[in-house]
Amino acid sequence: AQSVSQHNHHVILSEAASLELGCNYSYGGTVNLFWYVQYPGQHLQLLLKYFSGDPLVKGIKGFEAEFIKSKFSFNLRKPSVQWSDTAEYFCAVNPGGSYIPTFGRGTSLIVHP
Amino acid sequence: EAGVAQSPRYKIIEKRQSVAFWCNPISGHATLYWYQQILGQGPKLLIQFQNNGVVDDSQLPKDRFSAERLKGVDSTLKIQPAKLEDSAVYLCASSWASTGELFFGEGSRLTVL
Repeated sequence: AQSVSQHNHHVILSEAASLELGCNYSYGGTVNLFWYVQYPGQHLQLLLKYFSGDPLVKGIKGFEAEFIKSKFSFNLRKPSVQWSDTAEYFCAVNPGGSYIPTFGRGTSLIVHP
Repeated sequence: EAGVAQSPRYKIIEKRQSVAFWCNPISGHATLYWYQQILGQGPKLLIQFQNNGVVDDSQLPKDRFSAERLKGVDSTLKIQPAKLEDSAVYLCASSWASTGELFFGEGSRLTVL
């Protein structure tokens, strides 16, 4: 069965620091890749997605992610975090042709002002 | 556009009691998912519907969990009898395409005492 690994479970940063959250998956075929975010007290929402084409995708609020097929990775980055980025971040993988996204366990990000 | 609606938001029950959660997806979304999210973990798929048919329920504990989606719109997830380990947030999500991009509701938080 496919799996999604997020290696950083808790990340604490100061404002203006750079962020990179790792995501690796085990599925070997075509995949659709997602990052979802859950702000405190809010529902999960899409941050960005990759279906095909340019492996560097840009999402909302200055986030971007890079798909590296050879490494089965889809890491999330932001050059300068803000206090409002404090949230839970989830990587999700949907194998091409499947309707079933699998989620990683999430990374809790705390940004100190 | 109205989002995914879920109710109740919170429920506290004793073990061995029953509980039901309701979900109304975004209008026009054919695919509906129920996920279980235990504290500190990522969402785990329980069941997926395409219109009113079940696509995948392989991870649904069928001895105690049941779900239905009558008329291909609203859905109900039931737990009977509940166990302590069922304490979690139950997330409903819907999607209009097979790409796996999900739109989530606020979730229903269940506490089993």
